[in-house]
Amino acid sequence: QVQLVESGGGVVQPGRSLRLSCAASGFTFSSSAMHWVRQAPGKGLEWVALISYHGTNKYYADSVKGRFTISRDNSKSALYLQMNSLRAEDTAVYYCARRSCGSTTCYADYWGQGTLVTVSS
Amino acid sequence: SYVLTQPPSVSVAPGQTARITCGGNNIGTKGVHWYQQKPGQAPVLVLYDDSDRPSGIPERFSGSNSGNTATLTISRVEAGDEADYYCQVWDGSSDQRWVFGEGTKLTVL
Repeated sequence: QVQLVESGGGVVQPGRSLRLSCAASGFTFSSSAMHWVRQAPGKGLEWVALISYHGTNKYYADSVKGRFTISRDNSKSALYLQMNSLRAEDTAVYYCARRSCGSTTCYADYWGQGTLVTVSS
Repeated sequence: SYVLTQPPSVSVAPGQTARITCGGNNIGTKGVHWYQQKPGQAPVLVLYDDSDRPSGIPERFSGSNSGNTATLTISRVEAGDEADYYCQVWDGSSDQRWVFGEGTKLTVL
């Protein structure tokens, strides 16, 4: 069965960096584009970033562009999110999600359980 | 940027039908996807491409999309359906951005 397990969250001071990881299993990771989606405490879902299956194409939300970098290692079935220059407003649960596409557009058919990032001094 | 509007809350008695709307400019031209999120849990896909159900999702969940409104309909609502529901679309940009609605809290009375 498909499993996505995030790790790397924690408490970090503003301006510092953190790297999140997502370990994938139960499917051919190298054939799937992957997303990061976050959810601030008590708030809704916010799309963060997308990486193509081969890792060549990367896309970011305006709120994180220039500060966050999405990457992957297909040999390890792993997805990453390098977060630099963190701000208080980056505090959220970060989910990795597998992208699947239907007849019209794409959606997230599997999600990890999330990892909490708290940016605070 | 593209905006999706959902009602903050919807309440329904058990056994009745719940309808959760998702409004957006010409959303009928886009594929809409719906997620269910229970407290402390990750989102779960319940509908994709407006009205298709992933395996394991009950037939009680259905959807429609036309004009400026997409609708998630839950028939014969059960206590276990109480959750937050989010709609999602691709905003049509070359940046492949996804947009989520603000979410609707479904309360089963």
